[in-house]
Amino acid sequence: AQSVTQLGSHVSVSEGALVLLRCNYSSSVPPYLFWYVQYPNQGLQLLLKYTSAATLVKGINGFEAEFKKSETSFHLTKPSAHMSDAAEYFCAVSGRDSSYKLIFGSGTRLLVRP
Amino acid sequence: DTGVSQDPRHKITKRGQNVTFRCDPISEHNRLYWYRQTLGQGPEFLTYFQNEAQLEKSRLLSDRFSAERPKGSFSTLEIQRTEQGDSAMYLCASSLWGTSYEQYFGPGTRLTVT
Repeated sequence: AQSVTQLGSHVSVSEGALVLLRCNYSSSVPPYLFWYVQYPNQGLQLLLKYTSAATLVKGINGFEAEFKKSETSFHLTKPSAHMSDAAEYFCAVSGRDSSYKLIFGSGTRLLVRP
Repeated sequence: DTGVSQDPRHKITKRGQNVTFRCDPISEHNRLYWYRQTLGQGPEFLTYFQNEAQLEKSRLLSDRFSAERPKGSFSTLEIQRTEQGDSAMYLCASSLWGTSYEQYFGPGTRLTVT
């Protein structure tokens, strides 16, 4: 069975500092991996995805993530945090069964201090 | 492309009442997914459709829940005899199976059962 673990339910950074949100996955087959962002009372917006092409994936708003098979990790980074990055971030895995349903982590709330 | 839409955005109902939610996917998308998100958690898969066929249902989907996608376009999710434990955000997502594996989410319907 697939699962996702996001380390740290809350991460606080200063504006302009590096953002690092951690995600580890468990999957018996090479997975597809995704990061989504959710602003209060809104749906989820896709930030980036890994589908077995390049291991370093660039997404929207300056975010990127690196797939490391040996560490079963897919951490999300951004070199310089902006106040508008404050939101909830979810890592998700999709197996390669016929459904491609998403299994989500419990989320990390990013706080950006001025 | 107007994105995924959901209606209503908010629903307050009394325990024991029936409620129905609607999801309109991105027009050319053949897959439609329903997820449920409770406070402080990531979304959990409920069910999905390919065109009009419902192909998988989660164990979370009790017999009080029913979903349809009658013409392969919009979908409805009905909850009968609502319970307080049904209070959650219900999210709909769509994807274009066979072309990409990305799911695009709607804004969600927040259900409060009093």
